[in-house]
Amino acid sequence: AQRVTQPEKLLSVFKGAPVELKCNYSYSGSPELFWYVQYSRQRLQLLLRHISRESIKGFTADLNKGETSFHLKKPFAQEEDSAMYYCALSGRASGTYKYIFGTGTRLKVLA
Amino acid sequence: GAGVSQTPSNKVTEKGKYVELRCDPISGHTALYWYRQSLGQGPEFLIYFQGTGAADDSGLPNDRFFAVRPEGSVSTLKIQRTERGDSAVYLCASSLKSGGEAGADTQYFGPGTRLTVL
Repeated sequence: AQRVTQPEKLLSVFKGAPVELKCNYSYSGSPELFWYVQYSRQRLQLLLRHISRESIKGFTADLNKGETSFHLKKPFAQEEDSAMYYCALSGRASGTYKYIFGTGTRLKVLA
Repeated sequence: GAGVSQTPSNKVTEKGKYVELRCDPISGHTALYWYRQSLGQGPEFLIYFQGTGAADDSGLPNDRFFAVRPEGSVSTLKIQRTERGDSAVYLCASSLKSGGEAGADTQYFGPGTRLTVL
């Protein structure tokens, strides 16, 4: 079965501390992984995708096929990073490139 | 340019009533997706359109749910005989196409319609 697991519902860190938001997946085939972010009162927006291998707003994520993970990391958290983060999975095996989302992790960055 | 828009932003209805939710995708995007997000959950896939046709409706929970996209642009999600369990945020997303050799296209999401069934 295709599935995305985000084990933490809430993650609280202090400003300037490192952040790691966990994402594990189950997928038969070549997966494509995404991180979407939803700031307060805003719509879901793409943060990054593994194919691009970019760093957006200081965040990075590496696809580890051996561990079936795509954890999101940032070395120094900022208060403006506080938001809801969703990991999503897509690919041909899902039939139509629809996204399968995890349940999300709320990140709170404390001053 | 304008992003994905959805109307209404909020809809309150009574159990048993019929509702329509509208999605206006980004101009030129041929792929359109509907998702449903219940409280505390991530978005769950409902239906996918490529152009005018529903290419995948495997996520529709039952036959009370139906969606159309008659001209390949605006889409309407229709829910008959609403139930309290239908209460959720309904999200629409569009992408240039669904995917291809370069993989899945990025989906752009609308603000959602919050449906409350009393």
